[in-house]
Amino acid sequence: EIVLTQSPATLSLSPGERATLSCRASESVSGFLAWCQQKPGQAPRVVIFDASHRATGIPDRFSGSGSGTDFTLTISSLEPEDFAVYYCLQRGSWPLTFGGGTKVEIK
Amino acid sequence: EVQLLESGGDLIQPGGSLRLSCAGSGFSFSDYAMTWFRQAPGKGLEWVSTISHSGMKTYYADSVKGRFIVSRDDSKNTLYLEMNSLGAGDTAMYYCAKDGCYATSCVTPRLDYWGQGTLVTVSS
Repeated sequence: EIVLTQSPATLSLSPGERATLSCRASESVSGFLAWCQQKPGQAPRVVIFDASHRATGIPDRFSGSGSGTDFTLTISSLEPEDFAVYYCLQRGSWPLTFGGGTKVEIK
Repeated sequence: EVQLLESGGDLIQPGGSLRLSCAGSGFSFSDYAMTWFRQAPGKGLEWVSTISHSGMKTYYADSVKGRFIVSRDDSKNTLYLEMNSLGAGDTAMYYCAKDGCYATSCVTPRLDYWGQGTLVTVSS
């Protein structure tokens, strides 16, 4: 199965700062990588699908890039509601797999 | 508005069985593959199973293969997960999710909407 490694595990930033999250795959997933946001006590929601496409209702401060094995989620200017855990998810091949998550916390 | 509502979670003894349901609304249920995920307390997310829009193809994580059965009843707009031989490792919040790809347009599901989850606790 494809292993996804996210870094860093925790990102401590202030509102207004730029967040850059990384996800590396053990083998190519082509462009089939999504980013999901999860807040405490809530279900995950997709923010980016297929590497660079924003999901419905997601503000344009969120952007995704990458292909093959290296992907990045960028939040250009953190809003208070963006502090959460972010997981990458690959659908390049079965089984679907997730990264271990990056917690974006308020500094 | 797309809505997914899971139900059926409970406290169950080891070795027991449980059936989860996921009722979909706000979209043409029969046109989309559906997927189950789970999240153990304080842990990350794990894919469990996917069923194609037609119900003809099913996929399972190795951790549940042979114990869980995914099915769907399109007349009721409902997805199911039959779970058998439950163990402590199955304790988790279970989420259903809708595929964002219409019918067979994607080989693997491109998820777009998730439900709020239903909690399964396996304990004596």
